[in-house]
Amino acid sequence: KAGVTQTPRYLIKTRGQQVTLSCSPISGHRSVSWYQQTPGQGLQFLFEYFSETQRNKGNFPGRFSGRQFSNSRSEMNVSTLELGDSALYLCASSLGEYPNNEQFFGPGTRLTVL
Amino acid sequence: AQSVTQLGSHVSVSEGALVLLRCNYSSSVPPYLFWYVQYPNQGLQLLLKYTSAATLVKGINGFEAEFKKSETSFHLTKPSAHMSDAAEYFCAVSAGTSYGKLTFGQGTILTVHP
Repeated sequence: KAGVTQTPRYLIKTRGQQVTLSCSPISGHRSVSWYQQTPGQGLQFLFEYFSETQRNKGNFPGRFSGRQFSNSRSEMNVSTLELGDSALYLCASSLGEYPNNEQFFGPGTRLTVL
Repeated sequence: AQSVTQLGSHVSVSEGALVLLRCNYSSSVPPYLFWYVQYPNQGLQLLLKYTSAATLVKGINGFEAEFKKSETSFHLTKPSAHMSDAAEYFCAVSAGTSYGKLTFGQGTILTVHP
């Protein structure tokens, strides 16, 4: 069974631009969660989608948004990029059960904002 | 709300020595607990999980962890360290009604000396 895939793996953008990251979950998984990983703040939860609906959201500004498609693939978008948005963005897929929330992570997208 | 504290941001051991990575959690409801490992430039890989079935949990690569409710701990151990164990390790908790969200500790970097 194929794992979680994320594209692109690396991105370089400049301040003020916007960016879209993509995540394809493991086949059969209906839940996709997104995390931001930085050296200073560690792993922080952005949001979770289940069957095309956002079920949960972390404490991030509205510039961070996401969506999920009917095939469970998910995208996240960051508008008006700031230097502080430079991070590794990880997505994780799961069956969506709760609280036995076993998540499988993709390799991440490394975003650099100049 | 739940939280995780990993004691020691860096742990160094000799090859063949015992590995002990400490994790304490806080949760007002019964938690589900996870240990993940992250190698450089990769995503997170699940090592093991506690889901209330057994307090001693065995995972991949010879790792195990023991859930101690009285101490609110879930420490990760391995009897004999291998060079390939060098990586960053994260403890995470899932509890309550926060769909799709794992709350992570700050991580512990394990260094293995020959």
